[in-house]
Amino acid sequence: GIQVEQSPPDLILQEGANSTLRCNFSDSVNNLQWFHQNPWGQLINLFYIPSGTKQNGRLSATTVATERYSLLYISSSQTTDSGVYFCGRGGSNYKLTFGKGTLLTVNP
Amino acid sequence: DGGITQSPKYLFRKEGQNVTLSCEQNLNHDAMYWYRQDPGQGLRLIYYSQIVNDFQKGDIAEGYSVSREKKESFPLTVTSAQKNPTAFYLCASSIDREQGYTFGSGTRLTVV
Repeated sequence: GIQVEQSPPDLILQEGANSTLRCNFSDSVNNLQWFHQNPWGQLINLFYIPSGTKQNGRLSATTVATERYSLLYISSSQTTDSGVYFCGRGGSNYKLTFGKGTLLTVNP
Repeated sequence: DGGITQSPKYLFRKEGQNVTLSCEQNLNHDAMYWYRQDPGQGLRLIYYSQIVNDFQKGDIAEGYSVSREKKESFPLTVTSAQKNPTAFYLCASSIDREQGYTFGSGTRLTVV
């Protein structure tokens, strides 16, 4: 089946630091999304990015579909950025396959 | 405000009982999805529906059932055939298959 691998599995930062999260996928992509899950379990959609680069404030994402990976950049991290970051990959159907996530902890 | 409402937030079930989780959206989205999340794991797709009166099995459909009688509603029934139902259940919706998802706040089901 389709594989989605995220790295690193865990990341600890000091407030103000920058970070890069990676998502590798094993097949072509029509749909690539990044989500943030807060400590209460709510998943927030950060980016819909099947290709190219997008930016939203301190966050940006890049997907290189031909090389089957996507990156999420977090700059000047804040404690409220803590949580689990998931990427989800979709192909030609409606099924979005998720990686196991990156647990980010930002310390004050 | 538009969004997805899941209820209840917490649910306790005795072994052998069926239980139904509610998911309602007012985003006018055609597609709806049910995912299961276990501790330390990613999300796994249970069922999805592209349109009213139609739904498809996901990767882990055994022991679950759904219906899609209205565009706004996509309830999930966890049956007694589901061998390990304790998990966090998340409902999502999207305009179509190539758009971003919106998730509900989840239902945490515990079998006692």
